[in-house]
Amino acid sequence: QVQLVQSGAEVKKPGASVKVSCKASGYTFTGYHIHWVRQAPGQGLEWMGWINPKSGGTKYVKPSQGRVTMTRDTSISTAYMELSRLRSDDTAVYYCARARGSGSPEEYYFDYWGQGTLLTVSS
Amino acid sequence: QSVLTQPPSVSGAPGQRVTISCTGSSSNIGAAYDVHWYQQVPGTAPKLLIYGNNNRPSGVPDRFSGSRSGASASLAVTGLQPEDEADYYCQSYDSSLSGRGVFGGGTKLTVL
Repeated sequence: QVQLVQSGAEVKKPGASVKVSCKASGYTFTGYHIHWVRQAPGQGLEWMGWINPKSGGTKYVKPSQGRVTMTRDTSISTAYMELSRLRSDDTAVYYCARARGSGSPEEYYFDYWGQGTLLTVSS
Repeated sequence: QSVLTQPPSVSGAPGQRVTISCTGSSSNIGAAYDVHWYQQVPGTAPKLLIYGNNNRPSGVPDRFSGSRSGASASLAVTGLQPEDEADYYCQSYDSSLSGRGVFGGGTKLTVL
């Protein structure tokens, strides 16, 4: 069965960096894009961007460009999302999700989600 | 504020029918981009409910249905059950800002 298992909760200080992992199993890792979505406390879902595990190609939402980096290690079927220069408003649950669909990757839907990783940014 | 607009809350009694709207613009739903819907029970990850406007993944009850018309989309839930109480989000593509995925702000469904 398809599973996405994320790394554990993190507490970071403003200005620091964090790297969240998302280990895939139960399907061919390079066959599907991985997207990252975050959810601030009590708020809605915010799309952050995607990585193509096969090519390593990425696209990030404009406000996060320059602070977010998505990578992957195909040998261990794991995707990563690194966020730098952390601010208090980066406090959120971060989800990875397997994407499917047609057209451009930003049009895809998400059929499997990780369990989420809570990032708390506080001094 | 979200690019896609949803009502903050809807409610209905068990067995009733409710609809949740998702209103966009000419750069997203109005441009005929697909709409997808997710259900999220608080404290858990979202779950895919409807994809491609009106398609249900296997395992999703046929009480859930989706539609799209013009710059809006709707999720209908018939025969409300207590376990339907959750947050619901629509998702689409927006061609502004070099193209991006966008979500609605979410709607809290309460089963009375």
